[in-house]
Amino acid sequence: DAGVTQSPTHLIKTRGQQVTLRCSPKSGHDTVSWYQQALGQGPQFIFQYYEEEERQRGNFPDRFSGHQFPNYSSELNVNALLLGDSALYLCASIKGSYNEQFFGPGTRLTVL
Amino acid sequence: AQSVTQLGSHVSVSEGALVLLRCNYSSSVPPYLFWYVQYPNQGLQLLLKYTTGATLVKGINGFEAEFKKSETSFHLTKPSAHMSDAAEYFCAVSKMDSSYKLIFGSGTRLLVRP
Repeated sequence: DAGVTQSPTHLIKTRGQQVTLRCSPKSGHDTVSWYQQALGQGPQFIFQYYEEEERQRGNFPDRFSGHQFPNYSSELNVNALLLGDSALYLCASIKGSYNEQFFGPGTRLTVL
Repeated sequence: AQSVTQLGSHVSVSEGALVLLRCNYSSSVPPYLFWYVQYPNQGLQLLLKYTTGATLVKGINGFEAEFKKSETSFHLTKPSAHMSDAAEYFCAVSKMDSSYKLIFGSGTRLLVRP
């Protein structure tokens, strides 16, 4: 059983560009959360998707948007990239009401 | 609002010594509490969690944590450190609902000396 997978592993962009990160949840998991982990800090909640809808959102600007597909995979989109968006982006998947989140390895985004 | 404070950004212990990583939380409602470990260039792995019931929680790799409501603490311990325990450790809290939104502390880097 594959765990949570994320692509790409690393990404380098320049300021002002747009980026799309992808996440495939564990088999049978229907909820996906996205977190941003800046260097030397703990992860911060961006948003969560369930049944293809954004269910919750953290304190992130509208430049951060997402999508969930019928197969439960998810995308995180960031527009108008800033230097401060450089971070490790983590995806976590959850099954139903069982409160345990399984994290993927993350995508390291560098904005130059 | 919920928050998590991890005391000590770096903790250094000798191999075989007791590991104690401190976590205090603030929550207006009864929380769920978690400890995660992150090895270099990897995602987060769940060590243990407290939801309800017994306040002493045992996790993987010999770690355990005790939920102390009166002290709003959830400290992580391991009786004997191993070199492979060197990693970043994060304490996290979430509400007892279906939101699954985790609030993380800033992390503690554990260094294990030979």
